[in-house]
Amino acid sequence: DQQVKQNSPSLSVQEGRISILNCDYTNSMFDYFLWYKKYPAEGPTFLISISSIKDKNEDGRFTVFLNKSAKHLSLHIVPSQPGDSAVYFCAASADGGTSYGKLTFGQGTILTVHP
Amino acid sequence: DAGVTQSPTHLIKTRGQQVTLRCSPISGHKSVSWYQQVLGQGPQFIFQYYEKEERGRGNFPDRFSARQFPNYSSELNVNALLLGDSALYLCASSLPGELFFGEGSRLTVL
Repeated sequence: DQQVKQNSPSLSVQEGRISILNCDYTNSMFDYFLWYKKYPAEGPTFLISISSIKDKNEDGRFTVFLNKSAKHLSLHIVPSQPGDSAVYFCAASADGGTSYGKLTFGQGTILTVHP
Repeated sequence: DAGVTQSPTHLIKTRGQQVTLRCSPISGHKSVSWYQQVLGQGPQFIFQYYEKEERGRGNFPDRFSARQFPNYSSELNVNALLLGDSALYLCASSLPGELFFGEGSRLTVL
Protein backbone atom coordinates (compact mmCIF):
# COMPACT_ATOMS: atom_id res chain seq x y z
CA ASP A 1 0.00 0.00 0.00
CA GLN A 2 1.89 3.01 -1.32
CA GLN A 3 0.62 5.93 0.77
CA VAL A 4 2.94 8.45 -0.88
CA LYS A 5 3.34 8.27 -4.63
CA GLN A 6 5.62 10.02 -7.07
CA ASN A 7 4.27 8.90 -10.41
CA SER A 8 7.02 10.39 -12.55
CA PRO A 9 10.19 8.29 -12.29
CA SER A 10 12.20 10.94 -14.11
CA LEU A 11 12.12 14.54 -15.30
CA SER A 12 14.44 16.32 -17.72
CA VAL A 13 14.65 20.13 -17.75
CA GLN A 14 16.78 22.77 -19.43
CA GLU A 15 18.97 24.95 -17.24
CA GLY A 16 17.18 28.17 -16.25
CA ARG A 17 13.71 26.70 -16.73
CA ILE A 18 11.26 25.62 -14.04
CA SER A 19 11.29 22.08 -12.64
CA ILE A 20 8.01 20.81 -11.21
CA LEU A 21 8.04 17.59 -9.22
CA ASN A 22 4.74 16.10 -8.14
CA CYS A 23 3.63 13.93 -5.24
CA ASP A 24 0.28 12.41 -4.27
CA TYR A 25 -0.74 10.89 -0.96
CA THR A 26 -3.66 8.78 0.21
CA ASN A 27 -3.48 8.93 4.01
CA SER A 28 -5.70 11.74 5.34
CA MET A 29 -3.79 11.66 8.64
CA PHE A 30 -0.65 13.10 7.03
CA ASP A 31 -0.25 16.68 8.19
CA TYR A 32 3.37 17.53 7.49
CA PHE A 33 5.25 17.11 4.23
CA LEU A 34 8.91 17.29 3.31
CA TRP A 35 11.09 17.14 0.22
CA TYR A 36 14.52 15.54 0.25
CA LYS A 37 17.24 15.52 -2.37
CA LYS A 38 19.65 12.64 -2.78
CA TYR A 39 22.92 12.47 -4.69
CA PRO A 40 24.55 9.09 -5.42
CA ALA A 41 26.57 7.71 -2.50
CA GLU A 42 25.10 10.28 -0.12
CA GLY A 43 22.22 10.25 2.33
CA PRO A 44 19.06 12.26 1.56
CA THR A 45 19.33 15.97 2.34
CA PHE A 46 16.39 18.02 3.61
CA LEU A 47 15.18 20.69 1.18
CA ILE A 48 11.91 22.20 2.30
CA SER A 49 8.80 21.32 4.26
CA ILE A 50 5.20 22.41 4.62
CA SER A 51 2.57 22.00 7.30
CA SER A 52 -0.98 21.12 6.35
CA ILE A 53 -2.18 24.45 7.72
CA LYS A 54 -0.41 26.17 4.83
CA ASP A 55 -0.76 25.86 1.08
CA LYS A 56 2.60 27.31 0.09
CA ASN A 57 6.11 27.56 1.49
CA GLU A 58 9.01 29.24 -0.24
CA ASP A 59 12.75 29.07 0.36
CA GLY A 60 14.94 30.70 -2.24
CA ARG A 61 14.60 28.87 -5.54
CA PHE A 62 12.41 26.18 -3.96
CA THR A 63 8.66 26.44 -3.42
CA VAL A 64 6.35 23.70 -2.19
CA PHE A 65 2.61 23.86 -2.88
CA LEU A 66 0.05 21.78 -0.99
CA ASN A 67 -3.46 21.04 -2.21
CA LYS A 68 -5.13 19.20 0.66
CA SER A 69 -8.42 18.57 -1.11
CA ALA A 70 -6.58 16.83 -3.94
CA LYS A 71 -4.04 15.23 -1.58
CA HIS A 72 -1.34 16.57 -3.85
CA LEU A 73 1.84 18.51 -3.37
CA SER A 74 4.45 19.81 -5.77
CA LEU A 75 7.97 21.16 -5.59
CA HIS A 76 8.91 24.00 -7.93
CA ILE A 77 12.54 24.82 -8.61
CA VAL A 78 13.14 28.12 -10.36
CA PRO A 79 15.52 28.60 -12.06
CA SER A 80 16.79 25.05 -12.40
CA GLN A 81 20.55 24.55 -12.28
CA PRO A 82 22.69 21.56 -13.36
CA GLY A 83 23.66 21.06 -9.69
CA ASP A 84 19.99 20.34 -8.95
CA SER A 85 20.30 17.05 -10.83
CA ALA A 86 19.54 14.40 -8.21
CA VAL A 87 16.80 12.10 -6.96
CA TYR A 88 14.00 13.99 -5.19
CA PHE A 89 11.87 12.28 -2.54
CA CYS A 90 8.56 13.44 -1.19
CA ALA A 91 7.88 12.39 2.42
CA ALA A 92 4.97 12.69 4.83
CA SER A 93 4.39 12.61 8.57
CA ALA A 94 1.21 12.06 10.57
CA ASP A 95 2.41 13.86 13.70
CA GLY A 96 2.64 17.48 12.62
CA GLY A 97 6.32 17.15 12.03
CA THR A 98 7.03 16.14 15.60
CA SER A 99 7.31 12.43 14.98
CA TYR A 100 11.01 12.51 15.64
CA GLY A 101 11.78 10.33 12.71
CA LYS A 102 8.91 8.33 11.27
CA LEU A 103 8.34 9.45 7.70
CA THR A 104 6.63 7.77 4.78
CA PHE A 105 8.55 8.32 1.53
CA GLY A 106 7.57 8.25 -2.12
CA GLN A 107 9.55 6.30 -4.71
CA GLY A 108 11.55 9.28 -5.87
CA THR A 109 11.88 11.27 -9.11
CA ILE A 110 15.20 11.55 -10.93
CA LEU A 111 15.68 15.16 -12.02
CA THR A 112 18.20 15.91 -14.75
CA VAL A 113 18.95 19.54 -15.54
CA HIS A 114 20.75 20.00 -18.85
CA PRO A 115 23.15 22.93 -19.37
CA ASP B 1 30.04 19.73 13.44
CA ALA B 2 29.95 16.03 12.68
CA GLY B 3 26.84 14.82 10.95
CA VAL B 4 25.26 11.41 11.29
CA THR B 5 27.95 8.77 10.90
CA GLN B 6 27.35 5.18 9.89
CA SER B 7 29.57 2.13 9.71
CA PRO B 8 30.47 0.12 7.80
CA THR B 9 29.85 1.94 4.52
CA HIS B 10 29.82 -1.23 2.45
CA LEU B 11 29.62 -4.89 3.35
CA ILE B 12 28.96 -8.21 1.69
CA LYS B 13 27.32 -11.13 3.47
CA THR B 14 25.95 -14.49 2.44
CA ARG B 15 22.45 -15.81 2.97
CA GLY B 16 21.77 -16.96 6.52
CA GLN B 17 24.43 -14.76 8.09
CA GLN B 18 23.85 -11.98 10.57
CA VAL B 19 24.83 -8.33 10.24
CA THR B 20 25.19 -5.40 12.65
CA LEU B 21 25.12 -1.82 11.40
CA ARG B 22 26.13 1.12 13.55
CA CYS B 23 25.05 4.74 13.74
CA SER B 24 26.16 7.80 15.67
CA PRO B 25 23.65 10.66 15.69
CA ILE B 26 24.38 14.35 15.55
CA SER B 27 25.53 15.63 18.92
CA GLY B 28 22.54 16.59 21.03
CA HIS B 29 20.05 14.53 19.03
CA LYS B 30 18.31 11.93 21.17
CA SER B 31 16.26 10.25 18.44
CA VAL B 32 17.57 7.78 15.89
CA SER B 33 15.62 6.16 13.08
CA TRP B 34 16.54 3.43 10.64
CA TYR B 35 15.37 3.17 7.05
CA GLN B 36 15.87 0.60 4.31
CA GLN B 37 16.21 1.82 0.74
CA VAL B 38 15.96 -0.80 -1.96
CA LEU B 39 17.21 0.20 -5.40
CA GLY B 40 14.60 2.25 -7.25
CA GLN B 41 12.44 2.82 -4.17
CA GLY B 42 12.17 5.44 -1.48
CA PRO B 43 13.43 4.82 2.06
CA GLN B 44 11.17 2.60 4.16
CA PHE B 45 10.87 3.12 7.89
CA ILE B 46 12.23 0.27 10.02
CA PHE B 47 12.65 1.57 13.60
CA GLN B 48 12.64 4.73 15.65
CA TYR B 49 14.33 5.08 19.03
CA TYR B 50 14.07 8.01 21.40
CA GLU B 51 15.89 8.18 24.70
CA LYS B 52 16.79 4.50 24.36
CA GLU B 53 13.18 3.40 23.98
CA GLU B 54 11.57 2.04 20.83
CA ARG B 55 9.02 4.57 19.64
CA GLY B 56 8.00 3.01 16.37
CA ARG B 57 8.44 -0.05 14.22
CA GLY B 58 7.75 -0.44 10.53
CA ASN B 59 6.47 -3.47 8.67
CA PHE B 60 9.60 -5.59 8.89
CA PRO B 61 10.00 -9.18 10.16
CA ASP B 62 11.38 -10.04 13.57
CA ARG B 63 14.75 -10.80 11.99
CA PHE B 64 15.27 -7.05 12.21
CA SER B 65 16.08 -5.62 15.62
CA ALA B 66 17.71 -2.49 16.96
CA ARG B 67 18.79 -0.81 20.13
CA GLN B 68 19.96 2.58 21.31
CA PHE B 69 22.75 3.11 23.78
CA PRO B 70 23.10 5.65 26.61
CA ASN B 71 25.22 7.87 24.34
CA TYR B 72 22.31 7.79 21.81
CA SER B 73 24.24 5.79 19.24
CA SER B 74 22.36 2.87 17.75
CA GLU B 75 22.78 -0.54 16.19
CA LEU B 76 20.59 -2.30 13.67
CA ASN B 77 20.81 -6.08 13.59
CA VAL B 78 19.49 -8.33 10.87
CA ASN B 79 19.52 -12.10 11.38
CA ALA B 80 19.18 -14.93 8.87
CA LEU B 81 19.92 -12.68 5.92
CA LEU B 82 17.95 -13.11 2.72
CA LEU B 83 18.85 -11.95 -0.77
CA GLY B 84 16.03 -9.40 -0.50
CA ASP B 85 17.77 -7.72 2.43
CA SER B 86 20.29 -6.27 -0.01
CA ALA B 87 19.75 -2.52 0.28
CA LEU B 88 21.10 0.78 1.50
CA TYR B 89 20.42 1.11 5.23
CA LEU B 90 20.05 4.70 6.31
CA CYS B 91 20.27 6.03 9.81
CA ALA B 92 18.82 9.42 10.70
CA SER B 93 18.87 11.56 13.80
CA SER B 94 16.21 14.14 14.23
CA LEU B 95 14.82 17.35 15.53
CA PRO B 96 11.08 17.98 15.36
CA GLY B 97 10.11 18.25 11.73
CA GLU B 98 13.41 17.29 10.18
CA LEU B 99 15.52 14.21 9.72
CA PHE B 100 19.25 14.35 9.15
CA PHE B 101 20.49 11.30 7.30
CA GLY B 102 23.82 9.59 7.27
CA GLU B 103 25.39 8.34 4.05
CA GLY B 104 24.15 4.83 4.69
CA SER B 105 25.53 1.31 4.85
CA ARG B 106 25.30 -0.58 1.57
CA LEU B 107 24.57 -4.26 2.31
CA THR B 108 24.89 -6.87 -0.39
CA VAL B 109 23.64 -10.38 0.37
CA LEU B 110 24.96 -13.13 -1.91
